[in-house]
Amino acid sequence: KNQVEQSPQSLIILEGKNCTLQCNYTVSPFSNLRWYKQDTGRGPVSLTIMTFSENTKSNGRYTATLDADTKQSSLHITASQLSDSASYICVVSMIKAAGNKLTFGGGTRVLVKP
Amino acid sequence: DGGITQSPKYLFRKEGQNVTLSCEQNLNHDAMYWYRQDPGQGLRLIYYSQIVNDFQKGDIAEGYSVSREKKESFPLTVTSAQKNPTAFYLCASSSPAAGANYGYTFGSGTRLTVV
Repeated sequence: KNQVEQSPQSLIILEGKNCTLQCNYTVSPFSNLRWYKQDTGRGPVSLTIMTFSENTKSNGRYTATLDADTKQSSLHITASQLSDSASYICVVSMIKAAGNKLTFGGGTRVLVKP
Repeated sequence: DGGITQSPKYLFRKEGQNVTLSCEQNLNHDAMYWYRQDPGQGLRLIYYSQIVNDFQKGDIAEGYSVSREKKESFPLTVTSAQKNPTAFYLCASSSPAAGANYGYTFGSGTRLTVV
């Protein structure tokens, strides 16, 4: 079964500290992996997209890594800010004849405290 | 400014009532999607459309219906047959012609509550 598992489910960190979110997947055949940020009551916003051949990609203070062999990805947030409080969703795209199909993880809820 | 607009932001439905959620995009994207989000769960695909006048069922289509009469619009109707409609509904669009790494743009969502 194609699945995307994220950990931890929730995380509290102090402003200025770093944190790392994990994503494990079993989706196959793999096309790409995306990380989204979703503020409460809003739609997800794309942070990074990585293909099979990419093992790291950055977007400001966000750095995503991908190990396609072990089917694991991480999202590292550097020097966290209060505005980083949100849910972070890992999404894996699977190649299908009719186009790519997305499988969503349940998200990690991050709360940054002053 | 290009984007995808969902309305209303909040919607209340009485038992046995059909309601329609609006989704409009001006990104010139061919494909549009409807997802349902429940607390602690990943987004689940309800319906999707890759071209005007054509749409396909997703993983949880029962109790929902859609239409795609215009490229810009993809309304979702939650019918009385949907027994547990309370959820956060997200509309998205994409342009598959852009290649395998095409991005998805999401709307701001509609929160539907049964009263």
